[in-house]
Amino acid sequence: KAGVTQTPRYLIKTRGQQVTLSCSPISGHRSVSWYQQTPGQGLQFLFEYFSETQRNKGNFPGRFSGRQFSNSRSEMNVSTLELGDSALYLCASSPFIGRPGEQYFGPGTRLTVT
Amino acid sequence: QKEVEQNSGPLSVPEGAIASLNCTYSDRVSQSFFWYRQYSGKSPELIMSIYSNGDKEDGRFTAQLNKASQYVSLLIRDSQPSDSATYLCAVGSGGYQKVTFGTGTKLQVIP
Repeated sequence: KAGVTQTPRYLIKTRGQQVTLSCSPISGHRSVSWYQQTPGQGLQFLFEYFSETQRNKGNFPGRFSGRQFSNSRSEMNVSTLELGDSALYLCASSPFIGRPGEQYFGPGTRLTVT
Repeated sequence: QKEVEQNSGPLSVPEGAIASLNCTYSDRVSQSFFWYRQYSGKSPELIMSIYSNGDKEDGRFTAQLNKASQYVSLLIRDSQPSDSATYLCAVGSGGYQKVTFGTGTKLQVIP
């Protein structure tokens, strides 16, 4: 089975712009979670989607949003980018209903905001 | 207070020794607990999950959970240099088990 894929792998944006990141889960996985990883804060949960519905949400401002499509692919959008949004954004998928912590991570998208 | 706490390390152990990694969590009603390993420049990889009090063994890895003390640990027996990585503790809470990660403990296994 193919693993979790994320596109693009690297991205450079300017402060104030917006960005959309994409994640394709492992075939058959219906739960997709997004995380932000920075050296200072570690891995922080953004949100989780299951069957096109957001089930959990982390403590991020409304500039961070996401969605999931009927084929379980997910997108994450960040509007009005700030320098502090520079981070590795990781997507993870899980096959288990009710056990999203048992998840498989993609390679991540490295976002740099200048 | 952080929801999931880990000592950042580095924890240095000689090859062949037992490495003990610890994690505490603040939400008493947490129900699921995980250990992930992250090599430098790579994504986290799930190595253990545990849901009930006690020990769970998988090869050289043993996860230990004590809900009363809000404590979860990971033991790595016969540590190898290839075990050198950052180990992330994660805890699931709430109806849909929202997952919170600790900041990780860096383990160095010295040959």
